[in-house]
Amino acid sequence: DAGVIQSPRHEVTEMGQEVTLRCKPISGHNSLFWYRQTMMRGLELLIYFNNNVPIDDSGMPEDRFSAKMPNASFSTLKIQPSEPRDSAVYFCASPAGTSGNTIYFGEGSWLTVV
Amino acid sequence: GEDVEQSLFLSVREGDSSVINCTYTDSSSTYLYWYKQEPGAGLQLLTYIFSNMDMKQDQRLTVLLNKKDKHLSLRIADTQTGDSAIYFCAEGSPNNAGNMLTFGGGTRLMVKP
Repeated sequence: DAGVIQSPRHEVTEMGQEVTLRCKPISGHNSLFWYRQTMMRGLELLIYFNNNVPIDDSGMPEDRFSAKMPNASFSTLKIQPSEPRDSAVYFCASPAGTSGNTIYFGEGSWLTVV
Repeated sequence: GEDVEQSLFLSVREGDSSVINCTYTDSSSTYLYWYKQEPGAGLQLLTYIFSNMDMKQDQRLTVLLNKKDKHLSLRIADTQTGDSAIYFCAEGSPNNAGNMLTFGGGTRLMVKP
């Protein structure tokens, strides 16, 4: 397994534009987590899915953020419209192993909104 | 809610041992994790410990867990310059999505040659 795969790795966009971040989790588990990392707030859990269903999205900052997991092998995090304060690294994480207790992270999507 | 605390910074000399400490508040934590993040990279899972254990050793890494005090530590023996990174402690509480992690703020380890 290639691990958790995220795209794009880096994105620079103008304020007001739509941003779509993508994640392919590790196969074999139906859970997926989206985290955001900033200098000021550290690592924050935005949303997590189980069996492709959002279980808790209380960490999603506001209505401009939305996430989907249409199937077990793909998820998106969308920001529309983007704002400079959304600049951060967005990580996708996925369980692995037979118990699912080891959580692996992707390399992150480094977003800059200017 | 859950809270995980770490000191911000640690500086050691190459060859010395490093000890990074972490405290957490959630007594229902089942797994505790250590992740390493190098500049410009993602979080790399280093090791983890189940809450019914008090020690786990993996090559140069030793994890100690004091469940009574809710204290976790990561000891790196013979610290190398390549160990310079930010180390995150995380606690996992089981839910119907597996283990949802709460992270500390990270400890920046600087290794001086």
